[in-house]
Amino acid sequence: GQQVMQIPQYQHVQEGEDFTTYCNSSTTLSNIQWYKQRPGGHPVFLIQLVKSGEVKKQKRLTFQFGEAKKNSSLHITATQTTDVGTYFCAGPNYGQNFVFGPGTRLSVLP
Amino acid sequence: GAGVSQSPRYKVAKRGQDVALRCDPISGHVSLFWYQQALGQGPEFLTYFQNEAQLDKSGLPSDRFFAERPEGSVSTLKIQRTQQEDSAVYLCASSTGTPPSTDTQYFGPGTRLTVL
Repeated sequence: GQQVMQIPQYQHVQEGEDFTTYCNSSTTLSNIQWYKQRPGGHPVFLIQLVKSGEVKKQKRLTFQFGEAKKNSSLHITATQTTDVGTYFCAGPNYGQNFVFGPGTRLSVLP
Repeated sequence: GAGVSQSPRYKVAKRGQDVALRCDPISGHVSLFWYQQALGQGPEFLTYFQNEAQLDKSGLPSDRFFAERPEGSVSTLKIQRTQQEDSAVYLCASSTGTPPSTDTQYFGPGTRLTVL
């Protein structure tokens, strides 16, 4: 079945440093979604990308969908302590289900 | 309601007991998903409903797991004869769209199930 991988698994950064997480799917995706889960919380939707090569920005967050629609990235500029959490990518699988990546856990040192 | 709600928030069961987990999606949302999230892992798909129809149950780990959404709103995930490996957080999510273009999935707070 479809596999979604993310790297790195963990990332520790100093506040103010940049952060990037990468998502790779074994199959082409019609769209990809990104979620953030704070410690002890539930996943919260960040964005959906649909078009090949699409780039979207939300303040300090930049999301990119690869040309082949098999990979994606999330880049955070000048991290803040409020960025702490686990970032998941997710994509539709065959049928009506969704596959989530294992996530990248970000910690930000003040 | 304001968001997706789930109850109970915490459930402790003895091995072999049956449990029922409830999800109240956002009113009017067509799609409802159940996920299982083990500690330190991403959510794993269990099953999907479009209104009252269960269109995909490929992620249910065994026939001990059963889900329903009889009136197309509230959903219940039932686990029979619980085992220790069932310990996890069970998340419910709803959305207005239908797969594969579901747009935003709104997650509930989850039910943390611990099987002793």
